[in-house]
Amino acid sequence: GQSLEQPSEVTAVEGAIVQINCTYQTSGFYGLSWYQQHDGGAPTFLSYNGLDGLEETGRFSSFLSRSDSYGYLLLQELQMKDSASYFCAVPYNTDKLIFGTGTRLQVFP
Amino acid sequence: EAEVAQSPRYKITEKSQAVAFWCDPISGHATLYWYRQILGQGPELLVQFQDESVVDDSQLPKDRFSAERLKGVDSTLKIQPAELGDSAMYLCASSLSTNVMQFFGPGTRLTVL
Repeated sequence: GQSLEQPSEVTAVEGAIVQINCTYQTSGFYGLSWYQQHDGGAPTFLSYNGLDGLEETGRFSSFLSRSDSYGYLLLQELQMKDSASYFCAVPYNTDKLIFGTGTRLQVFP
Repeated sequence: EAEVAQSPRYKITEKSQAVAFWCDPISGHATLYWYRQILGQGPELLVQFQDESVVDDSQLPKDRFSAERLKGVDSTLKIQPAELGDSAMYLCASSLSTNVMQFFGPGTRLTVL
């Protein structure tokens, strides 16, 4: 089966840096995606790591280590609008996406 | 900017009634997904279409749920009869060529009383 583990909640203050971890167990691995979802909103794609290493997109970066079955999302210069839930997700059998349980990020002023 | 459209946004129904949700994916997206999301959890795939064909419906409770995408464009998800445990957000998503980048609609919040 497939499983992804994330911390349930993370808190930080504006301007800080926060890291959201994701560990996974999958039979067959094709990469790690990250999605953001504000309360009451739809998930929005943030990033994808198909290979080991760091991918940077503005204030957000995502990292993958396939040997450790581990990845993380790094958010820098936190803003209040970054308060949301963040989900890691892995493709399964190349045509299906399995989502983690999500990490709720609360940013305080 | 192209978006995935869903309707209705909210639906309240009584158990044993029938409900239907509609989704219009981004134009040109061949793959369409229906997810169910329970509060505090990640989306769970119910059914996936490639054009008008079902690719995966292994998690769809087929005794009460049905989905169709007759012309390979918009899609309908139906529940009959609805049960209390069906209360959730139903999300539709579409993708162009890869499942890792999916575009989600605003969802339908279903409440079964």
